[in-house]
Amino acid sequence: ELKVEQNPLFLSMQEGKNYTIYCNYSTTSDRLYWYRQDPGKSLESLFVLLSNGAVKQEGRLMASLDTKARLSTLHITAAVHDLSATYFCAVDMDSNYQLIWGAGTKLIIKP
Amino acid sequence: GAVVSQHPSWVICKSGTSVKIECRSLDFQATTMFWYRQFPKQSLMLMATSNEGSKATYEQGVEKDKFLINHASLTLSTLTVTSAHPEDSSFYICSAPMIGQGGGEAFFGQGTRLTVV
Repeated sequence: ELKVEQNPLFLSMQEGKNYTIYCNYSTTSDRLYWYRQDPGKSLESLFVLLSNGAVKQEGRLMASLDTKARLSTLHITAAVHDLSATYFCAVDMDSNYQLIWGAGTKLIIKP
Repeated sequence: GAVVSQHPSWVICKSGTSVKIECRSLDFQATTMFWYRQFPKQSLMLMATSNEGSKATYEQGVEKDKFLINHASLTLSTLTVTSAHPEDSSFYICSAPMIGQGGGEAFFGQGTRLTVV
């Protein structure tokens, strides 16, 4: 059974600090997604990582994928308040676009 | 990018009634679509896989007679919550994969917040 473990589940940090969210998964997969969700809203796609060693960056967010370690990271650089949201990683089971989700990381960035 | 449109975005219904949620891929065809459910402050759980022209595949524990899925065309899947009860209140999200030569990506609808009173 594919399991996706995300940590931390909750993170409160000050503006300007750096931090990393981790996403571990239990079986082989080479397609991983990161999403952002604001309260009461749907999902905003952040990154799609499709191969081992993939690294993508958008603004203050950078995501990477290590398929051998079955680990993806979402790194936040010099956090700003607008990045406060819940972040989910999701792994594509069997490369058929059927996603298994992590529990989510609720990120609160204090001004 | 590709767009998946979900309608309605929110609905309130009385217990015992049925509610239909639509999921459309607007600029691509999707032979498969997925329906997820999200309870407050929780993650998403896959409910079922909607297959164009054939029966949906339901995940364990999801009642197929309660959550009726129809995928009548390559751009439309519908989820009907039948005889809704308050415990069915949730956020329902559909996704559709757009597949190209270099691979593909799952795109999500805006979600439907269902409240059963």
